Amino acid sequence: DTAVSQTPKYLVTQMGNDKSIKCEQNLGHDTMYWYKQDSKKFLKIMFSYNNKELIINETVPNRFSPKSPDKAHLNLHINSLELGDSAVYFCASSQDITETSETQYFGPGTRLLVL
Amino acid sequence: GQNIDQPTEMTATEGAIVQINCTYQTSGFNGLFWYQQHAGEAPTFLSYNVLDGLEEKGRFSSFLSRSKGYSYLLLKELQMKDSASYLCAVVDSNYQLIWGAGTKLIIKP
Repeated sequence: DTAVSQTPKYLVTQMGNDKSIKCEQNLGHDTMYWYKQDSKKFLKIMFSYNNKELIINETVPNRFSPKSPDKAHLNLHINSLELGDSAVYFCASSQDITETSETQYFGPGTRLLVL
Repeated sequence: GQNIDQPTEMTATEGAIVQINCTYQTSGFNGLFWYQQHAGEAPTFLSYNVLDGLEEKGRFSSFLSRSKGYSYLLLKELQMKDSASYLCAVVDSNYQLIWGAGTKLIIKP
């Protein structure tokens, strides 16, 4: 009964490949997020979806594209992977992005290593 | 620009008290979160402050001063399991969470 789950947990791939990371939440939340945490441990927001609508799109390369088939899922697709994409990617969800006290619940993270 | 500052690393002794500070400069303010992140794991929620003052929750307390752009997390009766990174995050005027880099807390016996 994991609240926010991500697959895969580890991903090792070659430069230039295309890969996807899946995220699912069973909390009934309206908003989901993707974060990138680099080696310096900064959590950087990449995308968020509210009721299947992209509402925040930070200045990330367009090689990254979020896909939300339904409210409970937000997948991250990455084209033409680069060495600098190596990081831990966290999915998170919250009830409502406009409620400022809403806690974000994080998935376990996907550790991506690009060789 | 938006900025969240926290010390990079702190060391404390088991059973003692430690205070982790966070200062922020953001476009608007709609609340401040503290999260705990153990190595190799996801961040987990600790506290939320939106009004000035101290919020106490067991061994952990969080303080906020909006006029000073300042918060701290106070951990009492430190245990070895408290060794982790502590992340400060501010909700700005666009309801976006701005994250600090985190403070790595090392607990020694």
